[in-house]
Amino acid sequence: EVQLVESGGGLVQPGGSLRLSCAASGFTFSSYSMNWVRQAPGKGLEWVSYISSSSSTIYYADSVKGRFTISRDNAKNSLYLQMNSLRDEDTAVYYCARIDWNYVADYWGQGTLVTVSS
Amino acid sequence: DIQMTQSPSTLSASVGDRVTITCRASQSISSWLAWYQQKPGKAPKLLIYKASSLESGVPSRFSGSGSGTEFTLTISSLQPDDFATYYCQQYNSFLWTFGQGTKVEIK
Repeated sequence: EVQLVESGGGLVQPGGSLRLSCAASGFTFSSYSMNWVRQAPGKGLEWVSYISSSSSTIYYADSVKGRFTISRDNAKNSLYLQMNSLRDEDTAVYYCARIDWNYVADYWGQGTLVTVSS
Repeated sequence: DIQMTQSPSTLSASVGDRVTITCRASQSISSWLAWYQQKPGKAPKLLIYKASSLESGVPSRFSGSGSGTEFTLTISSLQPDDFATYYCQQYNSFLWTFGQGTKVEIK
């Protein structure tokens, strides 16, 4: 059974940093590209970042470029999101999602809440 | 960036109703469009990919159509489990964008 489990969320002050993790199981993690997608409270979905299976290709949304860094460790079946210089508007539930062979997100984690507030 | 616009934002319907949600792209995305269903406190669930292909395990009352810039999601006979928020998403490029969502409420 495919499982994605996010962790690392919490309360952080503006300007602070946080590192999110996504533990993958039930599939060959190293064969799949992955995304981070976030959702602010009561709002819609916003794509954050993409990483290819080998980490050779990475993309970021303009809203996080230069502040967030996506990475993965295929040996540990884990995906990461390093978030620096956090702002109030980064407050959201962050989901990791697997990208399948149809280039869409077929499996999602349960999400981890990041709250940026003083 | 490609902008995705859904309509309506909210839809009130009854069990058994036929429901249609529209999604428009700011430029052509061919058929690179997906639809997701999201319930409160839960992760999104993939329903449709490549505009009209039904994801495995999704009931056949869900269908998608369209290409280019205009797309629709249709639920042929609304069931109690279908009351949720629906999002379209383009993947014409790796920089995905989502529509703002359509909440389907009980009438």
